[in-house]
Amino acid sequence: KAGVTQTPRYLIKTRGQQVTLSCSPISGHRSVSWYQQTPGQGLQFLFEYFSETQRNKGNFPGRFSGRQFSNSRSEMNVSTLELGDSALYLCASSSGQGSPYEQYFGPGTRLTVT
Amino acid sequence: AQSVSQHNHHVILSEAASLELGCNYSYGGTVNLFWYVQYPGQHLQLLLKYFSGDPLVKGIKGFEAEFIKSKFSFNLRKPSVQWSDTAEYFCAVNRRTGGSYIPTFGRGTSLIVHP
Repeated sequence: KAGVTQTPRYLIKTRGQQVTLSCSPISGHRSVSWYQQTPGQGLQFLFEYFSETQRNKGNFPGRFSGRQFSNSRSEMNVSTLELGDSALYLCASSSGQGSPYEQYFGPGTRLTVT
Repeated sequence: AQSVSQHNHHVILSEAASLELGCNYSYGGTVNLFWYVQYPGQHLQLLLKYFSGDPLVKGIKGFEAEFIKSKFSFNLRKPSVQWSDTAEYFCAVNRRTGGSYIPTFGRGTSLIVHP
C-alpha cells in the first residue's frame, strides 16, 4: 500500500506571496490532517478534513486554509506569507472514524519564506 | 487549553543505557495517548499507543510506555538503547470531541545515542 505523499517537497517563496501544498492520503483513508512543524514549537495542528468537510481546526489565523477533494486528496493554502510561516508542513492520513485512529505521516513540504 | 509537556528537550546517552522520556498532559477528559518517532531524514512514525486497558503498553523496537492516570503522565521507556534509536520523539494526546479527536503534540525530545 502506498504511503502518504506530499508535493512539492521543497518550496521557496517571498513574503506576501501565497502557496498551495498538496497531500495524497493512503488509499481508503478519508481523513487528512495538516500540521506545522518548527524547531521551537514542535508539531502544531492546523486542521483536519474528513469526507471533504473541515472537521477540526487548530489555532491558526485565517491565512491558513485547506480543502479536500472527493478522492480524499487535500490541499493547504497559505496566503500573504510571513517569514514566520517558514516550517515543515506535514500531512497525516487516517481512516478518520471508529475507534481512535492512528495517523500516518507524509514526508512533509519544507517551506522557506524569504 | 490542553497542553502536552515533554520535560527533556535533549537527551544524550551511551549505548546500553536505559531511557525514560517524560510526557505529561493537562486534559482531564477522555484521551488517547501516542508516542511517535522521527528518525533522521525519515517520516514521523508511530512507536506505540494507548487507548484503554492495560496501562503498560509495548511498542516497536523494544519501547514501552506506562499510562498513569492520576499523574496525567505517559512516559516512554527502553531498558537498553542502541545507536539506531537516535531520533526525535514526540508525545501526542488525542482529546475526544464529538465524533472525532483533536491532537496535541509535545515539542519533542531529541535523543542522541553514542556508540
